[in-house]
Amino acid sequence: EILLTQSPATLSVSPGDRVTLSCRASHNVNGDLAWFQHKPGQAPRLLIYGAYHRAPDIPVRFSGSGSGTDFTLTISSLQSEDSGVYYCQQFNSWPPEYSFGQGTKLE
Amino acid sequence: QVRLEQSGAALQKSGASVRLSCKTSGYIFSSYALTWVRQAPGQGLEWIGWISGYSGETSYASKFQDRVSIDVETTTAHLELRHLRSDDTALYYCARVNLTMAFDFWGQGTHVTVSS
Repeated sequence: EILLTQSPATLSVSPGDRVTLSCRASHNVNGDLAWFQHKPGQAPRLLIYGAYHRAPDIPVRFSGSGSGTDFTLTISSLQSEDSGVYYCQQFNSWPPEYSFGQGTKLE
Repeated sequence: QVRLEQSGAALQKSGASVRLSCKTSGYIFSSYALTWVRQAPGQGLEWIGWISGYSGETSYASKFQDRVSIDVETTTAHLELRHLRSDDTALYYCARVNLTMAFDFWGQGTHVTVSS
């Protein structure tokens, strides 16, 4: 099983900040990594897939980078609506097996 | 438009089973897979399993391997979880898996409460 470790667990931020979230995999996941935003009372929202591809209708301030075992989600200029918990997720093998990181909460 | 509508909240006793449904619409069902994810109170997201909408092939997280089943019926996916425990109390989501293997559309979630 591939474990994903996100850091930091919590991040205190302000509107306009540039925010960088980290996700490290226990084994090489190539580029098979996604990022989700999750807000209370809502379903998770896909932000990034394939490590750096922005999902439809996702603002350009969200960007993903990385490969292998180290990945980053960057929010270039934080907006108030960007609060929530951010999860990275990987998949491997066939049929696919997925796992999530433990999440980073933006406060 | 793509929609995933999940069944209503469930209350079950420890040791019982629960069967949840996820009715899909707005896309060609057989062209995509479906997956189930849960979130226990105060916890993060946890992947449960995956099913191909084309072949019915399944994949389950090792943690649930011996007590979970996912199946499909026309355009609806079902999750059955057996031998329920109190720590199965959670919000269960279904999601569509797109051609890049990403979870792009989600249901609204189903609350499952397991009581002793």
